[in-house]
Amino acid sequence: NAGVTQTPKFRILKIGQSMTLQCTQDMNHNYMYWYRQDPGMGLKLIYYSVGAGITDKGEVPNGYNVSRSTTEDFPLRLELAAPSQTSVYFCASRRTGGPEQYFGPGTRLTVT
Amino acid sequence: GQQLNQSPQSMFIQEGEDVSMNCTSSSIFNTWLWYKQDPGEGPVLLIALYKAGELTSNGRLTAQFGITRKDSFLNISASIPSDVGIYFCAAQMLNTDKLIFGTGTRLQVFP
Repeated sequence: NAGVTQTPKFRILKIGQSMTLQCTQDMNHNYMYWYRQDPGMGLKLIYYSVGAGITDKGEVPNGYNVSRSTTEDFPLRLELAAPSQTSVYFCASRRTGGPEQYFGPGTRLTVT
Repeated sequence: GQQLNQSPQSMFIQEGEDVSMNCTSSSIFNTWLWYKQDPGEGPVLLIALYKAGELTSNGRLTAQFGITRKDSFLNISASIPSDVGIYFCAAQMLNTDKLIFGTGTRLQVFP
């Protein structure tokens, strides 16, 4: 199993550009999460999904959108990139009934 | 919202020393997790705790779920250079789908 994979690893965006961060898991987990990690801070939840077709906002959803059309994929969309969205983004997944979340390697995004 | 206070923020220790860090909160939790993050990587799960008072080991790592259910501790014995990284606590309340994360303890180990 590859676990949780994320692409791209790094990206630089100009203000106002759009992009999609990809996340895929091959563990057949129903739950998937997107976090952002700012320097010296913990992980802040952006959006999460409890299964295909179901998504919900986390702590910091503004400026982002998600979709969950399959169990495996949970892409995160930035529509109008802003410097405040410069961060490292992590995707995670977990099985139903277990609290343990498993993380991808992250996407480092810079908006200039 | 709920918050986890993790301390210390950073530690600089000599190889071979023992390390202790903890997380506290004013809220009660059902599960405590400890993660390690290496530079440029995602967090990796080290230990999971499911019951108040539980003491669990993973090699040189030992973690405890506090009796009050409001705190947790992680100890690393006989530290080695590969222990370098950021350690995060995380906690989950009963009947929620989300984890709350501490702000991390940055560990540096000098030979």
